[in-house]
Amino acid sequence: DTGVSQDPRHKITKRGQNVTFRCDPISEHNRLYWYRQTLGQGPEFLTYFQNEAQLEKSRLLSDRFSAERPKGSFSTLEIQRTEQGDSAMYLCASSLVLAGYNEQFFGPGTRLTVL
Amino acid sequence: AQSVTQLGSHVSVSEGALVLLRCNYSSSVPPYLFWYVQYPNQGLQLLLKYTTGATLVKGINGFEAEFKKSETSFHLTKPSAHMSDAAEYFCAVSDQGGGNKLTFGTGTQLKVEL
Repeated sequence: DTGVSQDPRHKITKRGQNVTFRCDPISEHNRLYWYRQTLGQGPEFLTYFQNEAQLEKSRLLSDRFSAERPKGSFSTLEIQRTEQGDSAMYLCASSLVLAGYNEQFFGPGTRLTVL
Repeated sequence: AQSVTQLGSHVSVSEGALVLLRCNYSSSVPPYLFWYVQYPNQGLQLLLKYTTGATLVKGINGFEAEFKKSETSFHLTKPSAHMSDAAEYFCAVSDQGGGNKLTFGTGTQLKVEL
């Protein structure tokens, strides 16, 4: 499978616990994005990386959230001290930066439920 | 700041009927515009995009959309609906810089009835 993969697909946790999600982009894609989608809403941008550099973070990304892409390949998104409001689908997308627009390819998402 | 408005959170059509999903955008610079489809428990799939050039763009599965700058619209159409078109559809806008991050509308759930 050469698409974007995310792990786990589903995560149920108790309030206050830490969780970490992983995203593996399409090989050789140098840009990686994280979005969050809550029920009944469209995805909202959280952050993006070009290679290993995190170039932009949304104000939605509170101090409890941290994202990394240490070697410019896979990325992790960690949420510390989870809250019920963190329950959402977390989507990862990747693209290859060339001239003009660069299509983003989305993974299947990780659905987080905070009890 | 950019924004997208999708009129109608739920649209129902009969199989074989015209599909029209509405999208209006707000952008201070010439935008890139997109339609994505999402099937249950799956990620987003790009249907079509407008970046530059011809304002009528054709996508996969028989869908097309027309960029109308004067109306700030990018409505999605398909002449004849099929049962397999039932899904959620998202309109999105991206500026030409800023990392090409996407701003999505709230989505339209399309139901196709026999």
